Amino acid sequence: AQSVTQLDSQVPVFEEAPVELRCNYSSSVSVYLFWYVQYPNQGLQLLLKYLSGSTLVKGINGFEAEFNKSQTSFHLRKPSVHISDTAEYFCAVSSMNTGFQKLVFGTGTRLLVSP
Amino acid sequence: NAGVTQTPKFQVLKTGQSMTLQCAQDMNHNSMYWYRQDPGMGLRLIYYSASEGTTDKGEVPNGYNVSRLNKREFSLRLESAAPSQTSVYFCASSEDDSNGYGYTFGSGTRLTVV
Repeated sequence: AQSVTQLDSQVPVFEEAPVELRCNYSSSVSVYLFWYVQYPNQGLQLLLKYLSGSTLVKGINGFEAEFNKSQTSFHLRKPSVHISDTAEYFCAVSSMNTGFQKLVFGTGTRLLVSP
Repeated sequence: NAGVTQTPKFQVLKTGQSMTLQCAQDMNHNSMYWYRQDPGMGLRLIYYSASEGTTDKGEVPNGYNVSRLNKREFSLRLESAAPSQTSVYFCASSEDDSNGYGYTFGSGTRLTVV
């Protein structure tokens, strides 16, 4: 079984500052990794995903994430945040080769961007 | 617009009442899911359907039932609502049986049980 840990429940940051949202996973098999964003009163949107290949993955809205297999991490980064990035961010994992996709989500990190 | 549609968006129930949350997708996806979202707990899987005609329990199925009516529709039923079922419910679908495509989510149903 897989599990996901997002250690930071909330990350406050000033506009135009860099940010990193941390995600660690646990799995006995190879995994696919995802980051989703949820804006207030909306559903979740896919931000980016790692399936294979390059460990640095670029997503929408200037976000990127790096897969580190040795540290079982998939941290999300943005070099300069905007007020509009205020949202909740969820890391998720699914295992490869099961023939069926079932995502396991972390508990989420609320990013608060202030002027 | 293509995507996942959930109805209703908001609902207030009294303890013991029943209701069905509706979900439909128009992307020809095989797999569909129901999650609940509670503060500090992220999203927890209630039930899922890998394909039309099949359903399976997720992490928190107690108090819920589901029906995969056809490939497009996947409904969630609360037979006797309890205050512990106050939550935001999300339906999602995924492209096919492989693992790498991620989910498309609906906009959610905010349910309050009093």
